[in-house]
Amino acid sequence: EAQVTQNPRYLITVTGKKLTVTCSQNMNHEYMSWYRQDPGLGLRQIYYSMNVEVTDKGDVPEGYKVSRKEKRNFPLILESPSPNQTSLYFCASSLRGVDTGELFFGEGSRLTVL
Amino acid sequence: AQSVTQPDIHITVSEGASLELRCNYSYGATPYLFWYVQSPGQGLQLLLKYFSGDTLVQGIKGFEAEFKRSQSSFNLRKPSVHWSDAAEYFCAVPSPGGYQKVTFGTGTKLQVIP
Repeated sequence: EAQVTQNPRYLITVTGKKLTVTCSQNMNHEYMSWYRQDPGLGLRQIYYSMNVEVTDKGDVPEGYKVSRKEKRNFPLILESPSPNQTSLYFCASSLRGVDTGELFFGEGSRLTVL
Repeated sequence: AQSVTQPDIHITVSEGASLELRCNYSYGATPYLFWYVQSPGQGLQLLLKYFSGDTLVQGIKGFEAEFKRSQSSFNLRKPSVHWSDAAEYFCAVPSPGGYQKVTFGTGTKLQVIP
């Protein structure tokens, strides 16, 4: 089954404790991206990647890191989480890119930073 | 920079009634436009997309949307709403010029009453 898989789905952590949210897709998509969803703000793009070793900032990259060492994986790293990073995070992928292609989303990872 | 406005935060309709969700964009040229749906606890799923050509596009689940350049709008419609349509709906516009960013509207939450 074609899918985007995120882990963990739910996480509660404390300020400053590094964490990684994994994202994997099995559709051989070139494009992958991370979004955060906050009430009243919709989805905002954090980082995206056009292919292996090619990443770029979205609209809200501060406090986040990403890497794309393999085509299928695009982890989101919070080196020192803070409470303002409490949010619902989505990973998405697309065959080529967002301007012509559909985005396929994971089910989301709800992160709480205390 | 482009922007996407969904003026209705929350809409309630009766089952069987018609539905129209509004989306306005600001953009220099004819944009690509998308509508996504997010069911409770799920990721986003593409409903329909407009690239060019016919300004009335059909999507999944009986939805359609009409692109109106003169009004900078891309409103989503459904003739008869089902209880299973209760969800949050997002309009989205990719960045122009090959920049692989997507701007999402803030979403409209649809409630369906019996």
